[in-house]
Amino acid sequence: EIVLTQSPGTLSLSPGERATLSCRASQSVRSSYLAWYQQRPGQAPRLLISGASSRATGIPDRFSGSGSGTDFTLTISRLEPEDFAVYYCQQYGSLPFTFGPGTKVDIK
Amino acid sequence: QLQLQESGPGLVKPSETLSLTCSVSGGSISSSTYYWGWIRQPPGKGLEWIGSIYYSGSTYYNPSLESRVTISVEASKNHFSLNLNSVTAADTAVYYCARQLASGWYLGWFDPWGRGTLVTVSS
Repeated sequence: EIVLTQSPGTLSLSPGERATLSCRASQSVRSSYLAWYQQRPGQAPRLLISGASSRATGIPDRFSGSGSGTDFTLTISRLEPEDFAVYYCQQYGSLPFTFGPGTKVDIK
Repeated sequence: QLQLQESGPGLVKPSETLSLTCSVSGGSISSSTYYWGWIRQPPGKGLEWIGSIYYSGSTYYNPSLESRVTISVEASKNHFSLNLNSVTAADTAVYYCARQLASGWYLGWFDPWGRGTLVTVSS
């Protein structure tokens, strides 16, 4: 099973700042089969990024993903008020599909 | 626009079976391009994939739950279901259903998701 580790656990930033979130896998993720989700309080997760770097339909271009192998990054270029949420990475390169523990982005 | 809606009891007794249904609207569950998955989230914690099913009935399960889980599909009703037996308090969670991309050689990401339903295991 691939274990995903996300850092930091919490990121305290101000609106307009840049957020950089890390997701590290315990072994290489096949073909960069990694997704990122955003979860706001009381809501279901929403897909942001698939294939490590492809934005989902309707996702603003301030969200970008990068990485390969075992190290992946989600970047939010300029935080908007609605971006303060929890972010999860998920690998779908091998069974069982696994999620990281999440990074909470909160308002400083 | 595709929508998914979970339904089922919000309270289950320990040792009994948790049963949920996910109703799909705005699209067909019989699409060849998708699997249909269940994911859960204990209160205040992270996400755990439970399993996924194709409209034909082909399934994949998380080994950590496989001995207690059955996922089934009723294509004629455009819904799929989750049964989890011998539940304990550790199974208390919000249960989500979601559509999962099925490419020719891999299962992909989950999108969209249902709103989720909280199931509490308690006597």
